[in-house]
Amino acid sequence: DAGVIQSPRHEVTEMGQEVTLRCKPISGHDYLFWYRQTMMRGLELLIYFNNNVPIDDSGMPEDRFSAKMPNASFSTLKIQPSEPRDSAVYFCASSPTMLGNEKLFFGSGTQLSVL
Amino acid sequence: DQQVKQNSPSLSVQEGRISILNCDYTNSMFDYFLWYKKYPAEGPTFLISISSIKDKNEDGRFTVFLNKSAKHLSLHIVPSQPGDSAVYFCAASAMDSSYKLIFGSGTRLLVRP
Repeated sequence: DAGVIQSPRHEVTEMGQEVTLRCKPISGHDYLFWYRQTMMRGLELLIYFNNNVPIDDSGMPEDRFSAKMPNASFSTLKIQPSEPRDSAVYFCASSPTMLGNEKLFFGSGTQLSVL
Repeated sequence: DQQVKQNSPSLSVQEGRISILNCDYTNSMFDYFLWYKKYPAEGPTFLISISSIKDKNEDGRFTVFLNKSAKHLSLHIVPSQPGDSAVYFCAASAMDSSYKLIFGSGTRLLVRP
């Protein structure tokens, strides 16, 4: 298996533009997570899905952020409009189970820079 | 308010010596703790975990210690190797929050040859 695949690896955009980050989880994994990494706060959980259904979006910072999972093999995280403070590394992760989360597999991340 | 804290942003250790990475938490409901390792331009990967019913778990050169009364855990790497140079994240989860993983801010370890 190729692991969790994220695209793009790098995204540079201007303030106010829409940004869409993409993720393909590992086949057979029922859980998908979006995390954001910043220097100050480390890895923050934004939202997670179970069987394509959003379960907990309490970590989504503002209404400018939205996430979808139209099928078991694809998820998007959208920021509209983007702001400089959204600059961070965004990770997607998937897991076959929720218990313990020790089998949480991360993608390589998307480095987002909003100018 | 961060529930999982790694107060040392960086640590430098000589090859062959012990590396000790520390982590503190505030939520007494946490019952499972994990360490993840992250190399540049890669996602974090699972390293080692410990349940709250234990106070120590060992896997090769890596040992995690849990002190529940102090709400503190630590990762010991013995002996340290240059390939261990990475960012280490402490994480915790609790049954009452559906086992969502809460991560710390990370500690960058540099092992000097």
